Amino acid sequence: SQTIHQWPATLVQPVGSPLSLECTVEGTSNPNLYWYRQAAGRGLQLLFYSVGIGQISSEVPQNLSASRPQDRQFILSSKKLLLSDSGFYLCAWSVGSYSNQPQHFGDGTRLSIL
Amino acid sequence: SQKIEQNSEALNIQEGKTATLTCNYTNYSPAYLQWYRQDPGRGPVFLLLIRENEKEKRKERLKVTFDTTLKQSLFHITASQPADSATYLCARYDGYNKLIFGAGTRLAVHP
Repeated sequence: SQTIHQWPATLVQPVGSPLSLECTVEGTSNPNLYWYRQAAGRGLQLLFYSVGIGQISSEVPQNLSASRPQDRQFILSSKKLLLSDSGFYLCAWSVGSYSNQPQHFGDGTRLSIL
Repeated sequence: SQKIEQNSEALNIQEGKTATLTCNYTNYSPAYLQWYRQDPGRGPVFLLLIRENEKEKRKERLKVTFDTTLKQSLFHITASQPADSATYLCARYDGYNKLIFGAGTRLAVHP
């Protein structure tokens, strides 16, 4: 069966520090991969999605970036964090090549910027 | 742009009653609508998908309806239990790869 792993679960970082969040998927090949951010009590905001290795689409201009170095690995990064980057970050995958597929989420990373 | 609207107010119901949550969308009718459950501090979990040519879809105590005339989907939980308390999200694809979520409706089932 397919599983998705996200880490770390919680992270406290000072303003201006770098960020690297990692997400890996097991049990499937060539998935579509997604990064979302969820502010407290708010909906999910799509940040990036990827349909293949090295293919990244950005939805919101900001100081975050994403990379997909391997088929089932998706990384969210920042060179300098801002206070506004605080939030709940979620990684998700769906079956590639087919439209309207359900998305399957990891358990998220709670990021607090001090 | 496509929008998904859900009642932002929490829904409080008594155990054993049927909970009904509403999802409204704008612009063209989506081919599919999806429903997810999210518990505090966790990622959303997929529950049901309904196609535009399906009036109704069931899974155990869950039922989803899709009314393309009203541009609305209703999500029902029958014989609700305190364990059903969570936030429920409605979503539709905007194009091929982007899933647009509503803000979700929080359901609280009281014993």
